[in-house]
Amino acid sequence: ETGVTQSPTHLIKTRGQQVTLRCSSQSGHNTVSWYQQALGQGPQFIFQYYREEENGRGNFPPRFSGLQFPNYSSELNVNALELDDSALYLCARSHGPGNSSDEQFFGPGTRLTVL
Amino acid sequence: GESVGLHLPTLSVQEGDNSIINCAYSNSASDYFIWYKQESGKGPQFIIDIRSNMDKRQGQRVTVLLNKTVKHLSLQIAATQPGDSAVYFCAENLGDSWGKLQFGAGTQVVVTP
Repeated sequence: ETGVTQSPTHLIKTRGQQVTLRCSSQSGHNTVSWYQQALGQGPQFIFQYYREEENGRGNFPPRFSGLQFPNYSSELNVNALELDDSALYLCARSHGPGNSSDEQFFGPGTRLTVL
Repeated sequence: GESVGLHLPTLSVQEGDNSIINCAYSNSASDYFIWYKQESGKGPQFIIDIRSNMDKRQGQRVTVLLNKTVKHLSLQIAATQPGDSAVYFCAENLGDSWGKLQFGAGTQVVVTP
């Protein structure tokens, strides 16, 4: 067990809608990264949050946004959903800069289907 | 562009044999590499990592080899077991910050009895 939980586990939305995905973990994981994993592909980095601020973004449009809260929980928001947004969304926690371990702990993911 | 990729999409291995999964990377500035195992319906699970100042690192039944000259990474699994059946990803740290990983496409390992 990685101690990282995500909710919901599955979600079905229609094109144009908005969605919020959530991630939480044990304390100490002050860095959270979000990834999108399309079926049959490797995870793609969306963005990272460190100490409640965005700390880098991958090649994703602004309609993908996020938040990190003082209790280390995090949200991924996607506006104006498109069919291609259908994927497994993974949250990964790590201890962040300055820690001796780079290990990322992944949650089980949220499976989003856009119809 | 810079990328991480795998040579083989599917690897069929007989139970008890050794498995070797290969990965090529193109970013010579990458300093940290990780292998993940992902089972169906689960998130990636950390297997082993290696930093660029090392050539080899061993874990329990797994060994990662890094050849910086040809930008090649491999994962060796000894005495492959049915529970090793999964998709295996190599990933590299993007280098500009902490914990931003670039994954390859993955290799499906199928262990046959």
